[in-house]
Amino acid sequence: DIQLTQSPSTLSASVGDRVTITCRASQSINSWLAWYQQKPGKAPKLLIYEASSVESGVPSRFSGSGSGTEFALTISSLQPDDFATYYCQLYKTDSRTFGQGTKVEIK
Amino acid sequence: QVQLVQSGAEVRKPGSSVKVSCKASGGTFNTYGFSWVRQAPGQGPEWMGAILPIFGTTNYAQKFQGRVTITADESTRTAYMELASLRSEDTAIYYCARGDEYSWNYSRYWGQGTLVTVSS
Repeated sequence: DIQLTQSPSTLSASVGDRVTITCRASQSINSWLAWYQQKPGKAPKLLIYEASSVESGVPSRFSGSGSGTEFALTISSLQPDDFATYYCQLYKTDSRTFGQGTKVEIK
Repeated sequence: QVQLVQSGAEVRKPGSSVKVSCKASGGTFNTYGFSWVRQAPGQGPEWMGAILPIFGTTNYAQKFQGRVTITADESTRTAYMELASLRSEDTAIYYCARGDEYSWNYSRYWGQGTLVTVSS
């Protein structure tokens, strides 16, 4: 099975900060990666698909990059609504693995 | 507007089974992939499997092979996930999620989640 490793597991940041979360795959997954945001008690929300395509309705401060085994989710200017947990998810052949998550906390 | 409404919370004893439903409204039903994803307390999401109703095609994560069955009823626009031989580690919130047309790669729409508690 292809594994995903997210880093960091927790990130403390302030409103207005530029934040980057990374996701590393154990083998190449081309651009078959999605990013989700999850808030407590809620279902995940799709932010990014195919590594860099921004889902409709998602603020432009969110962007995704990378291909192969190294990926990143960047929030250009952190807003109060962005404090949440973020997960990457791969989709290649029969694998649909999620990363272990990155919690973005208020500094 | 697509909405997925899941059945209510369940409590089961170890060794039993549970069946969770997910009723879809808005848009076409049978040409979209429906995935089931679970999330144990304090853990990340875990993909269990998916179905494409128009063909009845299913794909299950290796971890759940032989224990999970995903079905869909086009007449009622409802997807189902049945998990057998329950153990305490299966206590989790179970989500249904809809992918793109003819795909279950990633999920744009999610149900509200169903808490399944396995306890003796």
